[in-house]
This record gives sequence, C-alpha cells and structure tokens, in this order.
Amino acid sequence: DTGVSQDPRHKITKRGQNVTFRCDPISEHNRLYWYRQTLGQGPEFLTYFQNEAQLEKSRLLSDRFSAERPKGSFSTLEIQRTEQGDSAMYLCASSSGVGQPQHFGDGTRLSIL
Amino acid sequence: DQQVKQNSPSLSVQEGRISILNCDYTNSMFDYFLWYKKYPAEGPTFLISISSIKDKNEDGRFTVFLNKSAKHLSLHIVPSQPGDSAVYFCAASARGSSNTGKLIFGQGTTLQVKP
Repeated sequence: DTGVSQDPRHKITKRGQNVTFRCDPISEHNRLYWYRQTLGQGPEFLTYFQNEAQLEKSRLLSDRFSAERPKGSFSTLEIQRTEQGDSAMYLCASSSGVGQPQHFGDGTRLSIL
Repeated sequence: DQQVKQNSPSLSVQEGRISILNCDYTNSMFDYFLWYKKYPAEGPTFLISISSIKDKNEDGRFTVFLNKSAKHLSLHIVPSQPGDSAVYFCAASARGSSNTGKLIFGQGTTLQVKP
C-alpha cells in the first residue's frame, strides 16, 4: 500500500492527557498537511510542511498543539493537556506540489473522556 | 467566514440518472478546485480537479464545471451508481505569496443513489 498512512486509527484519552499521532505520507511527496474535521463539517487546515520545514500554521493550532516532520519524511502531531473540544478526526494529506491533488490518510479519531 | 459553501446538505438520485452537486466560493484568489468523496470511517478520496484556466474537466463518469464569473462549480456524475453514495466535499486553494496549497473545504453534500 503506497497511500498515506496514519496511526493510530482511534485514540481515547482522558481530559488533560497528552496524545501524539503519526502520519506517513506518500514517499515521493514533499508537501504534508494536517487537517481537523468535526461532525458535519469539512476538514479544516491546521498546518503545512514542505520537506522538514513547517511553513504555515492555522490560528486553530493553539499553543497546546505541536507538529514536526523530522528529515522530511513522517510527521507527528502532538496535543498537550487535551480538552473536550479537541475531540475530532485528525487527517493527514500529502502532495507532490502546488496544483497537484492532496491525498488523504484515513485519519485518527480522537475522543476525549 | 465560510469561503467555500455547499448549500445542499443532501441529495437523493435514482440509479442511472445524473447527480449534480454544487459549490460556491467567495475568494476570487482561488485558482484550483477539487472534489473529494468520503465514505464513513475513511479519509477523503480525491475524485477530480480543475484549474481556473479551464471551465470543464472530465474523467470518466465525473465532470467538473467551473463558472468563474459566478464563483460557482459543480460536479456531474452520470450515470449515478449505488456505490457513489457518499459525502462529497468541494475544496479550493489559492496561489499567493505563501503558495502552500492548503485547501479550504465546503461542509459537504451527502449523496444517496437509490437502486
């Protein structure tokens, strides 16, 4: 399977705990994106990497959120001190360039108890 | 401020007929538009895209039409099949100094194709 892979698929945690998600993009894609989707809405942009450089962050990405893409390969998204409002589907996408479609993983569904 | 809007939350069509899904946008800087299909518990799957220099793009049963003056695009599926039943998202991106290619999505339209 050469698509975008995300792990874990589901995460249930208590409020206040830290969580980390992983995304493995399509191998030849240098652009990587994180989005968040809540029920009944379309995905909302969180952050963008070109290779290892994080070039844009949405205002949705509070100080509790941090993302990395070491060596320009896989990426991680960490949420510290989780809150109820963080419950959502976190989607990762990758593309080979502007004007090329982004391909999405199946997401990580986060549930905060 | 919803820059991409899909005003129809749902659409029901008979198998074999045409499905037309609509999308409106407000940002005149958008120059690349995409349609995605999403099944439950899966990520969005890319269907078809169109650049602002074109007004039509076709791929098999799927055709996307772009009307820049009206800031409107539509996705035509013909003939519709039961397997097309899913949520369809319209998305757009804008060139600019940042040139990140980030996508702005509509709220989605749930298509049901009845056998």
